[in-house]
Amino acid sequence: GQQVMQIPQYQHVQEGEDFTTYCNSSTTLSNIQWYKQRPGGHPVFLIQLVKSGEVKKQKRLTFQFGEAKKNSSLHITATQTTDVGTYFCAGPDTGANNLFFGTGTRLTVIP
Amino acid sequence: NAGVTQTPKFQVLKTGQSMTLQCAQDMNHEYMSWYRQDPGMGLRLIHYSVGAGITDQGEVPNGYNVSRSTTEDFPLRLLSAAPSQTSVYFCASSYSRPPRETQYFGPGTRLLVL
Repeated sequence: GQQVMQIPQYQHVQEGEDFTTYCNSSTTLSNIQWYKQRPGGHPVFLIQLVKSGEVKKQKRLTFQFGEAKKNSSLHITATQTTDVGTYFCAGPDTGANNLFFGTGTRLTVIP
Repeated sequence: NAGVTQTPKFQVLKTGQSMTLQCAQDMNHEYMSWYRQDPGMGLRLIHYSVGAGITDQGEVPNGYNVSRSTTEDFPLRLLSAAPSQTSVYFCASSYSRPPRETQYFGPGTRLLVL
């Protein structure tokens, strides 16, 4: 199946610092989705990127899709304790029938 | 509109026991799927269904069976539980087949196999 690698696996930041997680694929992706999972919770859809070079913003969150559509990033400006959780990217599997999830980046925000 | 519901929330099994994890959605979604989540391994697809009467295997199907007799329900059966099946199981649904459809996840079932 499609391999979507995500780094880093863990990130600890002081409240107010910025945070970035990266998602990389060895093949071109038709689209990429991002999900957030709070501790003890379930994944919740954040956004989908489809176009090459696309940038979308949701308040303090900025999502980018690479020009070659092989990588994506999520950047959080001035983190807050409410940002705590694991962030997953997900792209199409090889057959484009299902989603293949990255391993996730677990964000801890230190007050 | 309850979204995606899963029962039970927690379950402890002994090796060799069988059980069924229930999943239901009330959004009239055609696509439903089961994932397992293990530390450091993200979400891995077990089985999925593109509509009533149609199921297929995902990345890690061994030891699990599914059926889809109605649009609303998609139960996951563990035939003979093994400690390796200790995990958190999530059911998800979407209006149609991924990958461009938003996936709606249930709250999860935490399973411990002793």
